Amino acid sequence: AQTVTQSQPEMSVQEAETVTLSCTYDTSESNYYLFWYKQPPSRQMILVIRQEAYKQQNATENRFSVNFQKAAKSFSLKISDSQLGDTAMYFCAFMTPSNAGGTSYGKLTFGQGTILTVHP
Amino acid sequence: AAGVIQSPRHLIKEKRETATLKCYPIPRHDTVYWYQQGPGQDPQFLISFYEKMQSDKGSIPDRFSAQQFSDYHSELNMSSLELGDSALYFCASSPRAGETTINGYTFGSGTRLTVV
Repeated sequence: AQTVTQSQPEMSVQEAETVTLSCTYDTSESNYYLFWYKQPPSRQMILVIRQEAYKQQNATENRFSVNFQKAAKSFSLKISDSQLGDTAMYFCAFMTPSNAGGTSYGKLTFGQGTILTVHP
Repeated sequence: AAGVIQSPRHLIKEKRETATLKCYPIPRHDTVYWYQQGPGQDPQFLISFYEKMQSDKGSIPDRFSAQQFSDYHSELNMSSLELGDSALYFCASSPRAGETTINGYTFGSGTRLTVV
């Protein structure tokens, strides 16, 4: 079974600064996907960024980037130029994708979450 | 673009009552996943369906059952409700295997169930 660990229950950052959220995971799978989801007070689950394990290049989406260290099973999220709207709970998540055999894996295993507060 | 629709948005039930949550996936998505998120907790996988068959099962209590219908919508039935069932219940949908699963994986807005 896969496990995902976020060791930072809470983080805070000043507006316009950079913050890094940590995530480690454990799996015996070789093909998998990693995600960061944002959950604001509305409780909607919003995809921030995703990384395919077979890709060595770290994913980037505007102000969000990841540091994916496959051997270390580490997947951290860096938020640059933090904005007040970034205040939310952030979840790291692991997925074994559905396979061609039709057995649908595809379930997400989440970490415990990190509450990020951006201060003006 | 069409999203995953969950109904109702909010539901209040008394202990020992029954609740039914509904999930309407994005058109042409044939896989549905259910998650339960308790207060201050991370979402926990409950169950998933692929082409109307149960495909994977997580920590779903025996009091809960679910199914996927011919139009691919899914219902989560919860009986003998307990106070601890109060949570946000998410549904997600995706198309079938491979990259399309990843690109298309979409969450609904959730149903907030309160058991009193």
